[in-house]
Amino acid sequence: GENVEQHPSTLSVQEGDSAVIKCTYSDSASNYFPWYKQELGKRPQLIIDIRSNVGEKKDQRIAVTLNKTAKHFSLHITETQPEDSAVYFCAASGGSQGNLIFGKGTKLSVKP
Amino acid sequence: EPEVTQTPSHQVTQMGQEVILRCVPISNHLYFYWYRQILGQKVEFLVSFYNNEISEKSEIFDDQFSVERPDGSNFTLKIRSTKLEDSAMYFCASSVFSNQPQHFGDGTRLSIL
Repeated sequence: GENVEQHPSTLSVQEGDSAVIKCTYSDSASNYFPWYKQELGKRPQLIIDIRSNVGEKKDQRIAVTLNKTAKHFSLHITETQPEDSAVYFCAASGGSQGNLIFGKGTKLSVKP
Repeated sequence: EPEVTQTPSHQVTQMGQEVILRCVPISNHLYFYWYRQILGQKVEFLVSFYNNEISEKSEIFDDQFSVERPDGSNFTLKIRSTKLEDSAMYFCASSVFSNQPQHFGDGTRLSIL
């Protein structure tokens, strides 16, 4: 089955800096890759997603890139703000039913 | 914006008892999911449900678990004979179609004593 690895497990940046989180997946049939932000005690919230027919997608300060050949995808957050502090999870889906396989998460801390 | 709603927010149960976690998916969504998150760990897939039947399940979803859509709006997860290791946050999610954005509920924190 699918396996998703995520790095780093923790990331600390200064406000205004960029943050990059990387994930790799194992199943070449996976074709949908969402990113979720989870604040302490809250639900995972979808922040951006990308499909396998697209190499890059951007939404304001957030961008995701996908390299199908290498089977990895990355989340880029520019001009980080303290409110970006949270745990970020990548996920991959390729089964016909769309179940998501998550990475272990990255705890991002943005210091003012 | 429509949301997935889950009840209760917190459930405390004695080991060996049965629990039912309830979810109301977004009304026009066709695919429903249950996930589990043990404290401080990643979100784990349990089961997907489509067209009134289980479409896929993980190794975690063994015989003590069952799901049901008893009416047109509710989607339930039943855990029979709960164990200490069932303590976790359980999230329900729904999507319009498979491999489309999944919207998560606020979760039910299940504590087994």
